[in-house]
Amino acid sequence: GAVVSQHPSRVICKSGTSVKIECRSLDFQATTMFWYRQFPKQSLMLMATSNEGSKATYEQGVEKDKFLINHASLTLSTLTVTSAHPEDSSFYICSARDFGPGETQYFGPGTRLLVL
Amino acid sequence: SQQGEEDPQALSIQEGENATMNCSYKTSINNLQWYRQNSGRGLVHLILIRSNEREKHSGRLRVTLDTSKKSSSLLITASRAADTASYFCATDALPSNTGKLIFGQGTTLQVKP
Repeated sequence: GAVVSQHPSRVICKSGTSVKIECRSLDFQATTMFWYRQFPKQSLMLMATSNEGSKATYEQGVEKDKFLINHASLTLSTLTVTSAHPEDSSFYICSARDFGPGETQYFGPGTRLLVL
Repeated sequence: SQQGEEDPQALSIQEGENATMNCSYKTSINNLQWYRQNSGRGLVHLILIRSNEREKHSGRLRVTLDTSKKSSSLLITASRAADTASYFCATDALPSNTGKLIFGQGTTLQVKP
């Protein structure tokens, strides 16, 4: 099946710094990618839809100035957590959908962010 | 966004037994998907069932969908210790086929060897 990668897999940073997470579709082009956040023992919450060549669409309650999304190419979307605080510590997962005949969405392995 | 509910929240069974997980959702859907997540890892797609389908099989997995009740079930037969994971249903809601998925709360399955 299609592969989606994320980098880094784990990051620890100090409060106030910014962290960039990359999401790549390795063997297909994805005009749309999605960013989710998952707190421990909870489900995935959709944060935003990343659209190649245009602005991201954010879900209600998600601060677009804090979670900057850039989808510069058909295989890469980046999520930057700006001025990170301890409450931003979470598991961030991206996904990409192959808009071919199938409708399966492929998920990256996730990035564990710990803000000290 | 509204999320569906899954029950049970946690399920512990012996290897070889069957495991059944249920999912309910709130809006009309294009399709419903089931995913597995091992602890601290990404999601693995298991099976997709469309709104006009009632049952689907894949190996040891059997999924049913009842759109009138807005519910789905995932049955894992002859469970193995390696099936230990969290299982999530996710719906791709109407009216537009945007690809946005709404996840259920998940069921944590433990299969004891």
